[in-house]
Amino acid sequence: NAGVTQTPKFQVLKTGQSMTLQCAQDMNHEYMSWYRQDPGMGLRLIHYSVGAGITDQGEVPNGYNVSRSTTEDFPLRLLSAAPSQTSVYFCASSRQGGSLGTIYFGEGSWLTVV
Amino acid sequence: TQLLEQSPQFLSIQEGENLTVYCNSSSVFSSLQWYRQEPGEGPVLLVTVVTGGEVKKLKRLTFQFGDARKDSSLHITAAQPGDTGLYLCAGGDSNYQLIWGAGTKLIIKP
Repeated sequence: NAGVTQTPKFQVLKTGQSMTLQCAQDMNHEYMSWYRQDPGMGLRLIHYSVGAGITDQGEVPNGYNVSRSTTEDFPLRLLSAAPSQTSVYFCASSRQGGSLGTIYFGEGSWLTVV
Repeated sequence: TQLLEQSPQFLSIQEGENLTVYCNSSSVFSSLQWYRQEPGEGPVLLVTVVTGGEVKKLKRLTFQFGDARKDSSLHITAAQPGDTGLYLCAGGDSNYQLIWGAGTKLIIKP
């Protein structure tokens, strides 16, 4: 079972470059989200989606865009990378929202912006 | 703003010892989850507690939700090296957004 698949695993970007982190899930989950994890700060929600065609901002959305054209895919785009976006990014999916359902995370994408 | 504070931030103990880590807030949550994250991987759900005072056991791990649903604890009995990892708590409300603690990094030395 693939679960939640993220690519790439590692990426180095120069300031100002753009890129897309890919995320796909094969569990037919309606809810998908992107988090960033920084030392000492826990997980912070960037954007989330409650179904195909519906997205919304989380706690730290600035500098990121998302789209949800299919149930399976939820890419995260960095528009113009900044050193402050150096972080570990996790894509997640769940059958239901809130904290009653199990959230399944991808293995993470390590991004360094120089 | 809702906050979840986890303590201690870091804990290193010998195999076989017992330990407790805490997750505290001034806010009430409808439910609370505990996750374990190993290096290079995403968090994995351990347990969800929803009722004030609820206690759940997962082998040597005991989870408790405070009576007022503002805090939670995780107790590990006879810790083993396989328990090493980052333990995260997350509180939920009626919205989709979870409130995450910063985590407790646990190292169990053989």
